[in-house]
Amino acid sequence: NAGVTQTPKFQVLKTGQSMTLQCAQDMNHNSMYWYRQDPGMGLRLIYYSASEGTTDKGEVPNGYNVSRLNKREFSLRLESAAPSQTSVYFCASSDILGTPGNTIYFGEGSWLTVV
Amino acid sequence: DAKTTQPPSMDCAEGRAANLPCNHSTISGNEYVYWYRQIHSQGPQYIIHGLKNNETNEMASLIITEDRKSSTLILPHATLRDTAVYYCIVRGSNDYKLSFGAGTTVTVRA
Repeated sequence: NAGVTQTPKFQVLKTGQSMTLQCAQDMNHNSMYWYRQDPGMGLRLIYYSASEGTTDKGEVPNGYNVSRLNKREFSLRLESAAPSQTSVYFCASSDILGTPGNTIYFGEGSWLTVV
Repeated sequence: DAKTTQPPSMDCAEGRAANLPCNHSTISGNEYVYWYRQIHSQGPQYIIHGLKNNETNEMASLIITEDRKSSTLILPHATLRDTAVYYCIVRGSNDYKLSFGAGTTVTVRA
């Protein structure tokens, strides 16, 4: 049981390049999330998917797109990377929103540097 | 916006209990108290959560006051590997995000 798995773990991009961060969970969770964490700061929600087939914007969605490929997988795409998107990205998952006491579990993070 | 207040830092001796306080005076009746920790360069790790009653698991105990305005996370026997930033978070079951405040930086010393 791996929990939440993210790939790649490290990536360096040039400004303007595109890339996709992959995330998969094996906990049969309905809801999935993408967060970013800048140095010395807290986590900020980029996008979330409350259930398969739905996606919604979080606090900082600009410059990103997401795809909920199936129940297990939720990808984050940077169409034209910018230096301001240099950050650590965390994928997370939980039981469906509304389940009492549902808990969000995080992956280990993907370090992205845009030069 | 974070709905909790935590001390910025605390030290703890290895092998001793670490008691981490958290104030959440504006908590609503259907909101839970969650604790996470983040060890340097790792993803946030879920520790424990509770609604009204005290809770215990293999990692920690959570003590919630009767009025639910504050709580304490107890790490019963701190080890050096418990050095991390600990976050106390208030969240409802329908909340799609976790609001991480500054947390408490806990340093366990040998």
